[in-house]
Amino acid sequence: DAMVIQNPRYQVTQFGKPVTLSCSQTLNHNVMYWYQQKSSQAPKLLFHYYDKDFNNEADTPDNFQSRRPNTSFCFLDIRSPGLGDAAMYLCATSRDGLGITDTQYFGPGTRLTVL
Amino acid sequence: DQQVKQNSPSLSVQEGRISILNCDYTNSMFDYFLWYKKYPAEGPTFLISISSIKDKNEDGRFTVFLNKSAKHLSLHIVPSQPGDSAVYFCAASARDSGTYKYIFGTGTRLKVLA
Repeated sequence: DAMVIQNPRYQVTQFGKPVTLSCSQTLNHNVMYWYQQKSSQAPKLLFHYYDKDFNNEADTPDNFQSRRPNTSFCFLDIRSPGLGDAAMYLCATSRDGLGITDTQYFGPGTRLTVL
Repeated sequence: DQQVKQNSPSLSVQEGRISILNCDYTNSMFDYFLWYKKYPAEGPTFLISISSIKDKNEDGRFTVFLNKSAKHLSLHIVPSQPGDSAVYFCAASARDSGTYKYIFGTGTRLKVLA
């Protein structure tokens, strides 16, 4: 089945220690998104890639970076995690993001704990 | 400032009855709306959507109603089943720099009691 896969599902890191979260997709979609969702809050878009073009949301902290080495994979790097970065991180894909009806498909998420 | 609001964090409904989940938005430029369902330990999955040119869209037990003048949409589930117990997110789609992005509400946790 075509899907969006996130690894690991649970990640524990220490305050200030860089961490990388991974997302892969078998849907061959052009667009990949990273969302942050804190407890009882709405998923918040951090950035997205349209193919190789990176699009950062204006309020995404510099501490968050992303890489997309190929169509299938996208990584979220947190350079110096703080306690406030503990959250669920959701990866999503869409075919091209250009059509209003272009649906986003989500992975299961990675829950990040910062000690 | 939240542009998409789900004011009820939780809802309990008896099996077989109707579940009504509500969502309000503030930006009149939104023209496409979606509902996602999320089970524990899984990612959100698309459930149903509606374009602003319609006021109703139906898919089996699920119907979404849109009231543009009130900037309000609702999801009706009839009849509700225990398997419908999940968190439901409302989202609005907005075009920004050439691509469409979703703005989500905070979710409503639905519990269907057997």
